[in-house]
Amino acid sequence: QLQLQGSGPGLVKPSETLSLTCAVSGGSTSSRSYYWGWIRQPPGKGLEWIGSIYYSGSTSYNPSLKSRVTMSVDTSKNQFSLNLRSVTAADTAVYYCARVRAGGWFVEYWGQGTLVIVSS
Amino acid sequence: QSALTQPASVSGSPGQSITISCTGTSNDVGSYNLVSWYQQHPGKAPQIMIYEDNKRPSGVSNRFSGSKSGNTASLTISGLQAEDEAVYYCCSYAGSTTDVVFGGGTNLTVL
Repeated sequence: QLQLQGSGPGLVKPSETLSLTCAVSGGSTSSRSYYWGWIRQPPGKGLEWIGSIYYSGSTSYNPSLKSRVTMSVDTSKNQFSLNLRSVTAADTAVYYCARVRAGGWFVEYWGQGTLVIVSS
Repeated sequence: QSALTQPASVSGSPGQSITISCTGTSNDVGSYNLVSWYQQHPGKAPQIMIYEDNKRPSGVSNRFSGSKSGNTASLTISGLQAEDEAVYYCCSYAGSTTDVVFGGGTNLTVL
């Protein structure tokens, strides 16, 4: 059974960079069958797609966040990461890492979610 | 404002059927057979209920079904049960520039 374990600071100061990592177990980030994605959910609000990365390192980002987002994948450690620069209070959210079926573009597995609060 | 439009809330009594709509455009819902639906209980991560418009993952009850007509997708839950009370999100592939867009979510209340 695939497991996704997100980790990272729960508190980030405004203007700084939010950095999260998602460790994958029970599956491989080298698989060509999946993308690895990030989705966020502000408190009490809906889901927002952040972007995705393929095993090759190819990325695709939500246009509204593209200027501030970088994703990477480390197949040797079987994990992938998200960096979001210049954060503001509007970036406060639960951040989910996810496995996305290539070609189908649906989230098969979700991580447990990591709450990140942006505050000084 | 979400890219896909869902009703904010729907309700039904146990045993009844309900349908949640999800309206997009010809750039997303109408262009690809790639609509998925997710169920989210409070404090939990979402879980997939329907993918590729109308396919059901193993382990998901056959009371859940998906359909689509033009730019509008629908999720139908038959034989409502108390455990179905949750927020439901639709999602669609929207092309290589955007990848994926979500609906704003629909709060289902089982009366």
